[in-house]
Amino acid sequence: LAKTTQPISMDSYEGQEVNITCSHNNIATNDYITWYQQFPSQGPRFIIQGYKTKVTNEVASLFIPADRKSSTLSLPRVSLSDTAVYYCLVGDDYKLSFGAGTTVTVRA
Amino acid sequence: DTAVSQTPKYLVTQMGNDKSIKCEQNLGHDTMYWYKQDSKKFLKIMFSYNNKELIINETVPNRFSPKSPDKAHLNLHINSLELGDSAVYFCASSQGRLAGERDEQFFGPGTRLTVL
Repeated sequence: LAKTTQPISMDSYEGQEVNITCSHNNIATNDYITWYQQFPSQGPRFIIQGYKTKVTNEVASLFIPADRKSSTLSLPRVSLSDTAVYYCLVGDDYKLSFGAGTTVTVRA
Repeated sequence: DTAVSQTPKYLVTQMGNDKSIKCEQNLGHDTMYWYKQDSKKFLKIMFSYNNKELIINETVPNRFSPKSPDKAHLNLHINSLELGDSAVYFCASSQGRLAGERDEQFFGPGTRLTVL
């Protein structure tokens, strides 16, 4: 079962790019990598999912190197409203749950 | 239209009481979940139902009993509430997935349970 490791917290300023790296050394061949975002007092919200290389949507980009043992969520030009907890999940085993995530704090 | 709704949003009760939290989804999804988020923000799955059938039952006390009257509803009943049950409980739903692919889950707004 692929376990993930991500930083506990990150600070940034408005307008900067935020990159959160998640390590998943034991990722299985058919596992996808998924990121969720959770604002205070709300349920998590799906951001992006990928299998390899790069995936981009209107919210974020996900970079996955060839060995797939890590992935990086990139949030371009963050604003105060991007302050949230970001969770990295691998595979489809819901028993792994969401972990503690990375708390991103964006300051003015 | 709210995709996944939960009631109540806040629940304050005394130890030993029995309470229920209701969840409804209008997305037509086949799978619903209950998660518990503790004070450290860990979000742990408790139960999962697919078409009213229990498919995930994590190690939770048997005081917690999910009930799925139909695939759009998954209610959580808790007997003999304890202080340690205080947490935020989230309901979620999803629709199908490919092997290895984690299908997108849609979460409700959460129910903050406080046991005094």
